[in-house]
Amino acid sequence: GQQLNQSPQSMFIQEGEDVSMNCTSSSIFNTWLWYKQDPGEGPVLLIALYKAGELTSNGRLTAQFGITRKDSFLNISASIPSDVGIYFCAGLGSSNTGKLIFGQGTTLQVKP
Amino acid sequence: DTGVSQDPRHKITKRGQNVTFRCDPISEHNRLYWYRQTLGQGPEFLTYFQNEAQLEKSRLLSDRFSAERPKGSFSTLEIQRTEQGDSAMYLCASSSTYRRGGRTDTQYFGPGTRLTVL
Repeated sequence: GQQLNQSPQSMFIQEGEDVSMNCTSSSIFNTWLWYKQDPGEGPVLLIALYKAGELTSNGRLTAQFGITRKDSFLNISASIPSDVGIYFCAGLGSSNTGKLIFGQGTTLQVKP
Repeated sequence: DTGVSQDPRHKITKRGQNVTFRCDPISEHNRLYWYRQTLGQGPEFLTYFQNEAQLEKSRLLSDRFSAERPKGSFSTLEIQRTEQGDSAMYLCASSSTYRRGGRTDTQYFGPGTRLTVL
């Protein structure tokens, strides 16, 4: 079945540093979504990517849809303490299925 | 525009009991999805509806699980004869196939219902 490999699994960084995380798959996806989840809450959508090669920003966040459609990355610039949480990538094979495939998550901790 | 809401937020039950969760999607969203998330993992797809029709079900959705969306608005997820392995966060998401409601392929999640089976 389709699987997403997300790395790194966890990161512990200093406030102000930039962060990069990525997801790779053996399957092609038509949509890549990046979510952030706080403990006890549902995932919150950060960035949505719909076209291969697309580069999209949302404030300090930048994400790219890989040209091969099998990977995506998320960058966070100048991290702040409220960036702490778990970041998930998710891929959708086509609009005919509702099944989002999620990565295992990247846990981010920021030291003030 | 309110987001996806779920009720209850937390549920503690004893093994063997039945539980029911409710999800209200974003208004104008005609697609509604259920996922399950266990500790340390990403959400796993269970099922989804487009309007009243249940269009896709995962193999994770055993015969003890049933989801309904009778009027194409809110949805319920029932688990019968709960087992300890059912303990998880149950997440609901919604999206729209109508242009005015956004994109079909962009799912917005609710806060989840945390189920603990003792």
